[in-house]
Amino acid sequence: EADIYQTPRYLVIGTGKKITLECSQTMGHDKMYWYQQDPGMELHLIHYSYGVNSTEKGDLSSESTVSRIRTEHFPLTLESARPSHTSQYLCASSTQTVNTEAFFGQGTRLTVV
Amino acid sequence: RKEVEQDPGPFNVPEGATVAFNCTYSNSASQSFFWYRQDCRKEPKLLMSVYSSGNEDGRFTAQLNRASQYISLLIRDSKLSDSATYLCVVNRGGGFKTIFGAGTRLFVKA
Repeated sequence: EADIYQTPRYLVIGTGKKITLECSQTMGHDKMYWYQQDPGMELHLIHYSYGVNSTEKGDLSSESTVSRIRTEHFPLTLESARPSHTSQYLCASSTQTVNTEAFFGQGTRLTVV
Repeated sequence: RKEVEQDPGPFNVPEGATVAFNCTYSNSASQSFFWYRQDCRKEPKLLMSVYSSGNEDGRFTAQLNRASQYISLLIRDSKLSDSATYLCVVNRGGGFKTIFGAGTRLFVKA
């Protein structure tokens, strides 16, 4: 079982609210990722990080922001939630070695009403 | 064109059938390859890595053809529990990005 945790698992929130989705891993992995996935659709990379103080935007444009102050923690923030942000957000981590797999958290299912 | 392309699916097969999934990647700098499985409303999990020599894990066989930039997954003797989405995944060097295919949905019927 992977040691990567996301909270909350489910979140229903009103439009305009600020939210932070938490992701923590205890495997000491340098690389961390955020993916967005709508039901039945493909994964889209929205943010990734090579290590502390490193953040990069992914392939899908997102209004969210991320930070990486500690190796184990990679939170994602939406300053003002909108219904279009309704989706599942999956966090993952891996080592720096290219031949390694990525481990996923269980995801946060966000609904903005 | 997407960097990783998979059979669109869905595949509907009876129990006991053999099913093959195909995947192509466009970036020749890709260095490692995987098949992941994602159950409905769950996170993706590694099914198996894919090696140049081909590798087998029970009923599952993965093949890689670097010259053709093609990856395959063969499932023999399909079980109901094999029903899931199968994701082709490529790790690209030079900055190291993990690229997921869109996935191929498999339904195994009794």
